[in-house]
Amino acid sequence: EAQLVESGGGLVQPGGSLRLSCVASGFSFSSYWMTWMRQGPGKGLEWVASMRQDGGERYYVDSVKGRFTISRDNAKDALYLQMNSLRAEDTAVYYCVRGRSNMDVWGQGTTVTVS
Amino acid sequence: DVVLTQSPLSLPVTLGQPASISCRSSRSLVHSDGNTYLNWFQQRPGQSPRRLLYYGSKRDSGVPERFSGSGSGTEFTLRISGVEAEDVGVYYCMQGTHWPLTFGGGTTVEIK
Repeated sequence: EAQLVESGGGLVQPGGSLRLSCVASGFSFSSYWMTWMRQGPGKGLEWVASMRQDGGERYYVDSVKGRFTISRDNAKDALYLQMNSLRAEDTAVYYCVRGRSNMDVWGQGTTVTVS
Repeated sequence: DVVLTQSPLSLPVTLGQPASISCRSSRSLVHSDGNTYLNWFQQRPGQSPRRLLYYGSKRDSGVPERFSGSGSGTEFTLRISGVEAEDVGVYYCMQGTHWPLTFGGGTTVEIK
């Protein structure tokens, strides 16, 4: 069974940094685009960033461009999100998701609080 | 950016009765590869989202047959043929055709 487990969330001050990790299991990680989504408290879902299998393409929502970096290590079946210059509006549950156009597997999420 | 407009915002339904959620896109969701990347997700209280349908109408494995999807281009619909208590939650449409990827605002299904 395909699984994604996120970690790295926590409480950080505005302007600070945090690195989220996601470890995949149960499928061939290197064969899939991977994506980060987020959900602010009491809010809807928002796409954050996506990355191609080989890292050759990366896309970001405008609000995080220049501050967040998505990366992956296919040897470790791991996806990362480096978040710098964090703002209060980045407070959310961050989900690691398999796919690019059809998001079929979601992790349980990791909570980031910027305060 | 593609705007997905869901309606209604809230949907109170009697157990066993049908329910329908609309998702309208500001532009066609037909990709240059011919596919239509419109997904429907269910998010139960306190849980991660779960995909129900992809390509607008293809049901995921394990999703009850009472869930169905239809539509094309810019207009899509999620139907539940007879709502059960476990269907309570928020439903989102999401397009994967155009960057940036976008979601509808969500529809809350509750039991009357």
